[in-house]
Amino acid sequence: GIQVEQSPPDLILQEGANSTLRCNFSDSVNNLQWFHQNPWGQLINLFYIPSGTKQNGRLSATTVATERYSLLYISSSQTTDSGVYFCAVETAGNQFYFGTGTSLTVIP
Amino acid sequence: GAVVSQHPSRVICKSGTSVKIECRSLDFQATTMFWYRQFPKQSLMLMATSNEGSKATYEQGVEKDKFLINHASLTLSTLTVTSAHPEDSSFYICSAAGGETEAFFGQGTRLTVV
Repeated sequence: GIQVEQSPPDLILQEGANSTLRCNFSDSVNNLQWFHQNPWGQLINLFYIPSGTKQNGRLSATTVATERYSLLYISSSQTTDSGVYFCAVETAGNQFYFGTGTSLTVIP
Repeated sequence: GAVVSQHPSRVICKSGTSVKIECRSLDFQATTMFWYRQFPKQSLMLMATSNEGSKATYEQGVEKDKFLINHASLTLSTLTVTSAHPEDSSFYICSAAGGETEAFFGQGTRLTVV
């Protein structure tokens, strides 16, 4: 199956700092999504981004499909940004393969 | 976006019993649904793909006799964990696809087997 790796695995930020999370994948994919998993386990969809760049408030994401990676940018981080961030790649059969996750902690 | 509802959100059962988890697409017809499992502090792993009206396709290493999947209608798939044991305790989450290119996930079910 497709291998999806994220880095860094853990990240601690001071409130107000910026950060970049990376997602590398091993094969061509139909789609890529970024999720934030809240403390109750629910996956919050951040971006649907098979290619290109999108922005939503303090968050933005870029996927370079030809080079098989995606980046999630978090600017002016807040304590509420804490949690686990997953990227997931989607195959032609709509199956998702999740990355290893980045656990983000934003301290005041 | 589309809504996928999963029930129950949390269940505790005794070892040896069976537990059924439901996944419903509320506002679209899901021709395909997927089941994932997440152990504590780990990523989500695809368990199986279920297509409406046909047998589920299981990922390597997932016991089909232990994790029974039924997708009897275009809006409902069920996962039954049979003869549950403590090692089956996990977070189970479903997703549904029905023509939309974006995936929609249920809220997840936290299963604890005691």
